[in-house]
Amino acid sequence: GESVGLHLPTLSVQEGDNSIINCAYSNSASDYFIWYKQESGKGPQFIIDIRSNMDKRQGQRVTVLLNKTVKHLSLQIAATQPGDSAVYFCAENSGGSNYKLTFGKGTLLTVNP
Amino acid sequence: EADIYQTPRYLVIGTGKKITLECSQTMGHDKMYWYQQDPGMELHLIHYSYGVNSTEKGDLSSESTVSRIRTEHFPLTLESARPSHTSQYLCASSDRTGGLGPLHFGNGTRLTVT
Repeated sequence: GESVGLHLPTLSVQEGDNSIINCAYSNSASDYFIWYKQESGKGPQFIIDIRSNMDKRQGQRVTVLLNKTVKHLSLQIAATQPGDSAVYFCAENSGGSNYKLTFGKGTLLTVNP
Repeated sequence: EADIYQTPRYLVIGTGKKITLECSQTMGHDKMYWYQQDPGMELHLIHYSYGVNSTEKGDLSSESTVSRIRTEHFPLTLESARPSHTSQYLCASSDRTGGLGPLHFGNGTRLTVT
């Protein structure tokens, strides 16, 4: 059902700065992780993924870091732009061979011009 | 941009009505999913399917039901809508049969039950 108000962590940055969004995941057996971007009124959009046998992966302006020791995932966005303003979610495959994504709480990124 | 479509985009309906949310994908993906998302909150898996005639309940208990008669179509039905069903419903699909890959999401149906 409906919830009242936002419960999101928020991050506010200046245009051109680098952004780091963090996520703690829950299942030490998770083998695959994804970052999604969700703009208002839209479904989540894939940004970048990483498998558990890696600790870093780079895309265009984005980097994902995985620390399995402390079950921590981060998304780094270089030279943040106003179009990057959105809610960012991390997700983990907690289902093993029964592939199912479990989503974390999102982070609202606001980029100030 | 993934080709996954959800209709209606918005739906306002009275308590007790039966509703069906439509989801179709043109990518031939075997795996399809329904997630429920309240405003500002994370997504919760309510149903998924690994192929035709396969349906499973997700992690979040839901009074809705789903069917998968055709690969491209994965409708969600509420037999008797209640205000507690007010939420956004997101459909997704995946093309990595037996493997790992991102889910492709539609833009959701925002349901309001009065």
